[in-house]
Amino acid sequence: GDSVTQMEGPVTLSEEAFLTINCTYTATGYPSLFWYVQYPGEGLQLLLKATKADDKGSNKGFEATYRKETTSFHLEKGSVQVSDSAVYFCASRRSGGSYIPTFGRGTSLIVHP
Amino acid sequence: DTEVTQTPKHLVMGMTNKKSLKCEQHMGHRAMYWYKQKAKKPPELMFVYSYEKLSINESVPSRFSPECPNSSLLNLHLHALQPEDSALYLCASSPTSGAITDTQYFGPGTRLTVL
Repeated sequence: GDSVTQMEGPVTLSEEAFLTINCTYTATGYPSLFWYVQYPGEGLQLLLKATKADDKGSNKGFEATYRKETTSFHLEKGSVQVSDSAVYFCASRRSGGSYIPTFGRGTSLIVHP
Repeated sequence: DTEVTQTPKHLVMGMTNKKSLKCEQHMGHRAMYWYKQKAKKPPELMFVYSYEKLSINESVPSRFSPECPNSSLLNLHLHALQPEDSALYLCASSPTSGAITDTQYFGPGTRLTVL
């Protein structure tokens, strides 16, 4: 079946550091890929998405590129802020059929001033 | 507007109570979802409604009863819950339930505590 693997957290960084959160997927065909962010006590917010190979999703300084050859969708940000502290979920969704996304385990990011 | 609203924000109930969670969206989406999320875990799908009809039930116990009165509203009726049902309940919606480009939008959730 489909699966999404994320790096285990927590990831702890100082403000203005570079962020990478790794995400790899296994799926039949060519899934759409998503990053969601969940701030403490809140629901999930869509951060960015990519629907085909080599697409780059970007939002609020975050970027991720759909790499078919490595089945990866790593999340990056050049300079993190304290306000970026949250849990980040990578998700895939297979083409066709009902919308049943497969979520990764989530990676907690803690940014210190 | 990409907002999904959920009420109440917090709910505490005893094991013999009956309560309901409510979800609303005005984006014209035709698919709506209920998820359960335990602490430090990803959301787990419970139910999917497509065009107001229940299309997926992920083997959820009958003490959870979903209802979709119209295309904008989704309810989750709760009865005789157990303490292990305490969790964050998330509602989501998407334009349809089948297009590859569809994006799922989540509400802020209802934090449920069962005593």
